[in-house]
Amino acid sequence: EAGVTQFPSHSVIEKGQTVTLRCDPISGHDNLYWYRRVMGKEIKFLLHFVKESKQDESGMPNNRFLAERTGGTYSTLKVQPAELEDSGVYFCASSLVGTGRSYTFGSGTRLTVV
Amino acid sequence: QKEVEQNSGPLSVPEGAIASLNCTYSDRGSQSFFWYRQYSGKSPELIMFIYSNGDKEDGRFTAQLNKASQYVSLLIRDSQPSDSATYLCAVKGGQNFVFGPGTRLSVLP
Repeated sequence: EAGVTQFPSHSVIEKGQTVTLRCDPISGHDNLYWYRRVMGKEIKFLLHFVKESKQDESGMPNNRFLAERTGGTYSTLKVQPAELEDSGVYFCASSLVGTGRSYTFGSGTRLTVV
Repeated sequence: QKEVEQNSGPLSVPEGAIASLNCTYSDRGSQSFFWYRQYSGKSPELIMFIYSNGDKEDGRFTAQLNKASQYVSLLIRDSQPSDSATYLCAVKGGQNFVFGPGTRLSVLP
């Protein structure tokens, strides 16, 4: 079974540019989550999809971040325009049901804004 | 503000010793507790989860939970150099995790 796949693994962009991160969850997992870890801080929740619907987006830092999950399969997280403080590692996770034991994390996208 | 706290480390133990990792949490309504291991540049991987007070053992790992004290720990027996990683404590009250900052463990050969 393929795991959670994230693309790209690394991205370096200039301040003010746009970046789109992609997450492909495990097939059949209705729940998809985005988390991020900025330098020196803990991993923090961004948002949660159930299929194509946003269940909880309370962790999204501001309106420069837009997440979508069209068709309830893969998800994208767009940052527009990117700021320096957006640098960090963005993790995606998916689960079949909401229990934590079934979470699987992707390997993350390391975003550097210069 | 729900918080999970851990000592950032590094925690250094000699090979073969017991490594003890600690975590406290602020939300008394938290239901489930998880320990993840993360190697540098890799994804967090689940080591153990615990829901009930007491101890839960899985191989060389033992998770301990004390809800009254809002405290959860992870013991690693017979530590190996391959156990060197960052250990993340994560607490789940609803659908989402609240993570601690992680403890960096170094097992010295």
